[in-house]
Amino acid sequence: GAGVSQSPSNKVTEKGKDVELRCDPISGHTALYWYRQSLGQGLEFLIYFQGNSAPDKSGLPSDRFSAERTGGSVSTLTIQRTQQEDSAVYLCASTLAGRTDTQYFGPGTRLTVL
Amino acid sequence: AQSVTQLDSQVPVFEEAPVELRCNYSSSVSVYLFWYVQYPNQGLQLLLKYLSGSTLVKGINGFEAEFNKSQTSFHLRKPSVHISDTAEYFCAVRRTGGSEKLVFGKGTKLTVNP
Repeated sequence: GAGVSQSPSNKVTEKGKDVELRCDPISGHTALYWYRQSLGQGLEFLIYFQGNSAPDKSGLPSDRFSAERTGGSVSTLTIQRTQQEDSAVYLCASTLAGRTDTQYFGPGTRLTVL
Repeated sequence: AQSVTQLDSQVPVFEEAPVELRCNYSSSVSVYLFWYVQYPNQGLQLLLKYLSGSTLVKGINGFEAEFNKSQTSFHLRKPSVHISDTAEYFCAVRRTGGSEKLVFGKGTKLTVNP
């Protein structure tokens, strides 16, 4: 079946611009996570959505980062006024309700801020 | 808070040799443990996980790991590696309750040489 998909696969932007990254979880998966993978910091948790509960935003590095999940499915991660240190691969993962021990990851979006 | 240490950033081995990738974790609460693999330009794929029960866990592609609570370790092993095992391997932990975000180690790059 279809896995987690992310778009775009690559994004190059100029410093100061806003970007939106999209994640389509596996159909029926109720939990969705965003992580960031960068050379200096490794893999870091950003934000977690579970059903209709308030999201866990504890990993967002600054108020320039925000995310939403519409209709309990697709999620968009927005980075405002991008900085060069935002360059990284942004990974999305989803899990099935009741089986949250296994997170299924998408291929990621590689963001380059010039 | 949880933390994960992967002691080796790079491990080169010859084909058909055994390999062990080391992982130690720190946590004041009980955790679940995971190993993920990332092939070049791909997303993360779950290799194996420890939730409870037998401390020896078998995963895909002939990998296994042993949970050692007293040493807070979860080392990954394979008795005979193939060229196709060349990838980056990430150890991760997650609290058994509460927020279900994964906390990752920095990763170990396994290179299998002919």
